[in-house]
Amino acid sequence: KAGVTQTPRYLIKTRGQQVTLSCSPISGHRSVSWYQQTPGQGLQFLFEYFSETQRNKGNFPGRFSGRQFSNSRSEMNVSTLELGDSALYLCASSVTPSYNEQFFGPGTRLTVL
Amino acid sequence: KQEVTQIPAALSVPEGENLVLNCSFTDSAIYNLQWFRQDPGKGLTSLLLIQSSQREQTSGRLNASLDKSSGRSTLYIAASQPGDSATYLCAVGLWETSGSRLTFGEGTQLTVNP
Repeated sequence: KAGVTQTPRYLIKTRGQQVTLSCSPISGHRSVSWYQQTPGQGLQFLFEYFSETQRNKGNFPGRFSGRQFSNSRSEMNVSTLELGDSALYLCASSVTPSYNEQFFGPGTRLTVL
Repeated sequence: KQEVTQIPAALSVPEGENLVLNCSFTDSAIYNLQWFRQDPGKGLTSLLLIQSSQREQTSGRLNASLDKSSGRSTLYIAASQPGDSATYLCAVGLWETSGSRLTFGEGTQLTVNP
């Protein structure tokens, strides 16, 4: 069974640009969550999606947005990039939200210059 | 606000040693706790999941315990090997008003020396 896939794996952008990251969950998983990992803040929760609905959102500015499609694939978008947005963005999938084991993808490494 | 603390932050041991990693959390209203390992520059690999009603889980050389009332979990690694070198993260699952999330500790960086 294929794991969680994330594309692209690496991105380099400049300040002010926007970026879209993609996550494909494990087949049969309907819940997707996103996390940001930085050396200073560790792993921080961004969003939780289930059945195309955003169920929960972390404490991030409105520049961070996301969505989930009917096939459970998810995208997150960051607009007006700032230097501080440089991070590893991780996507996790589970069968349903809560209770179930979360499986993480390899991440997208975003560098903002 | 839930806070998760992992002690020690770093640990270096010789191969073959048994070791314990600690995780504590401030709010006992969790629905589960999950241990992960992360290799440099990589994603997270799930090791063990303990539901809030369980006391421990075992997988191979790994054993994780959960004491929800005291807000503590331990990950026991038996007969450590150089391949166990990685950062180990614990995460607690929390319900919030509209959904759920995992809250992570800062991790324990483990080095197993041959």
